[in-house]
Formats: sequence, C-alpha cells, structure tokens
Amino acid sequence: GQNIDQPTEMTATEGAIVQINCTYQTSGFNGLFWYQQHAGEAPTFLSYNVLDGLEEKGRFSSFLSRSKGYSYLLLKELQMKDSASYLCAVPNSNDYKLSFGAGTTVTVRA
Amino acid sequence: SQTIHQWPATLVQPVGSPLSLECTVEGTSNPNLYWYRQAAGRGLQLLFYSVGIGQISSEVPQNLSASRPQDRQFILSSKKLLLSDSGFYLCAWNMGTGAQPQHFGDGTRLSIL
Repeated sequence: GQNIDQPTEMTATEGAIVQINCTYQTSGFNGLFWYQQHAGEAPTFLSYNVLDGLEEKGRFSSFLSRSKGYSYLLLKELQMKDSASYLCAVPNSNDYKLSFGAGTTVTVRA
Repeated sequence: SQTIHQWPATLVQPVGSPLSLECTVEGTSNPNLYWYRQAAGRGLQLLFYSVGIGQISSEVPQNLSASRPQDRQFILSSKKLLLSDSGFYLCAWNMGTGAQPQHFGDGTRLSIL
C-alpha cells in the first residue's frame, strides 16, 4: 500500500477559502484522487490529477506536485454544504487499487 | 448511465449471526467491484475486490467472505458476525485497467449487538 497523510480536521468560515493538503509516498505514481464524503454518506469523486499543476472545477481546485509527493484540494467561496470529510487516494502502482488517506473533516461555520 | 445499488441501508445483527450484503451495478459490463469497510472516524479499508465473475481477491484476513455470482453482482457474507465487524460497508465499481475513479454505493451501516 501507500503512505498517505492529511490533516484530521480543519475549520473555516462561510465564504472563505480552505486548502487541504495531502502528502503521499508511493513506489510508482498513477495519479491522485480526491473524494468528498458527507457524514453518513458514501464518498463521491471530486477530481483526479496525474500531471503537475492546478486543475480547476468551479469552486474546487486540485493541485499536484509529483516531485514533492504533494497535492492539495482548494475549496473557494465556502458554503455550509461543503462541511464534509475530504479523502485523498492514490492507486497502487501494480494493480491500481486505491489506498485512501484517513480523511480531513472540514467544518464550515457561519 | 451507470448506477450502483447497495442494500440494506441499515442493519442491526446479534453477535454470531450470519450476514449477507448485496451490491449490484447497472448500465455497464464487466466492472471491477470492491467492498470497503469504514470504521467510525477512520479511512476506508479495502476488504475484497473482483475483476470478473468468480474472481475474488481478499485484502485482509477476517471472518468475512465475498462472492460474485453474476457479472454485476457482488455479495459480502459472514457465517458468524463479531462485535468488531460493526462499521460502514461500501461497495464500489470502476471500469477497465489503469487508474479509474471508483464510484460508491450508498453504503450499509452495520451494528453488531
């Protein structure tokens, strides 16, 4: 498996920006996924990065630096509904099964 | 479009009882199928995955088993549940080889009493 590290919790104010970092160690890199998981619900796919740089999808953007083994998910113009856990996941190099980080719980306050 | 169905949504079972959770995928053929468990406040642990009918790989030793009797059906079973089997069980699918996003069912919350 992979070694994936992300902060446990973050809190931010409605309308603000939050950046969720993820560092990983892998023997062979096949990209990095971000998922959103609301409490009691299933994870939903947000983004996939395989090349260095920033990918923007509306209020959410994801960044990757392969040389640093680092990614972040940027949430802009935070809304209350963005309160959720955000999971970073990396495919294994040989069989592409995903290894998930423990998730970062983001709480958005009014 | 593809959809994934997982049931039941919630299950309360006594210790030592059997278990059967079912997952089906619609709108695609020969998907890769996965069973995960998520303990409270923790990450996703891969339990089983399958690349085809009758092909099951187990990731962790446990008292659970999985079967894939049909192309788009994946079943998670146990003959005797333990207290430690409590958790949120998620089925997922993706297609092909390579790094493809996995798509999850709504999950089953299993409580063992």
